[in-house]
Amino acid sequence: NAGVMQNPRHLVRRRGQEARLRCSPVKGHSHVYWYRQLPEEGLKFMVYLQKENIIDESGMPKERFSAEFPKEGPSILRIQQVVRGDSAAYFCASSDPGQSADTQYFGPGTRLTVL
Amino acid sequence: EDQVTQSPEALRLQEGESSSLNCSYTVSGLRGLFWYRQDPGKGPEFLFTLYSAGEEKEKERLKATLTKKESFLHITAPKPEDSATYLCAVQGGGSYIPTFGRGTSLIVHP
Repeated sequence: NAGVMQNPRHLVRRRGQEARLRCSPVKGHSHVYWYRQLPEEGLKFMVYLQKENIIDESGMPKERFSAEFPKEGPSILRIQQVVRGDSAAYFCASSDPGQSADTQYFGPGTRLTVL
Repeated sequence: EDQVTQSPEALRLQEGESSSLNCSYTVSGLRGLFWYRQDPGKGPEFLFTLYSAGEEKEKERLKATLTKKESFLHITAPKPEDSATYLCAVQGGGSYIPTFGRGTSLIVHP
């Protein structure tokens, strides 16, 4: 079984450029979550999506950040006009809505470096 | 607001020296408590989900237990390959978003 896949694994951008992070969930999972992790800090929730719907984006900055999970294809986290403070590891997780508690399975992450 | 506190922040053990990691939590209506292992430069790897007080789950040298206020991850006779950061998270009633603790960094010396 293929787990959660993320690409690219490493991404380098200059200030002001755009970053696009992609996530393919576990086959059959229709819930996707994005998290951000800084060194020595915990996982911080950003956004929760189902196919074609944003369910909760309370952890995502209102400016420059957006996320989508289209009917076909991977989920995408988009960061426009990146700044150095956006440098972090971004993790995607997916879950199966049929379970009583939403056990999340994580991808390997994308490490974004902003120069 | 759900809260998760993990202790200790860091733990050094000798190979074979058993110990426990603690996860204290406050949540409104627990739906699930999760344990993950995270190796440097990698994503969290799922270990266990516990649903109710009194529940226990085991996997190799790891055993997770749950009470109404805390969970323990017991590590029996650890090996160097058990070295990692262990993360605890809780999911409360009415929320799909788990709250994560900051983790316990475990180093097992040969």
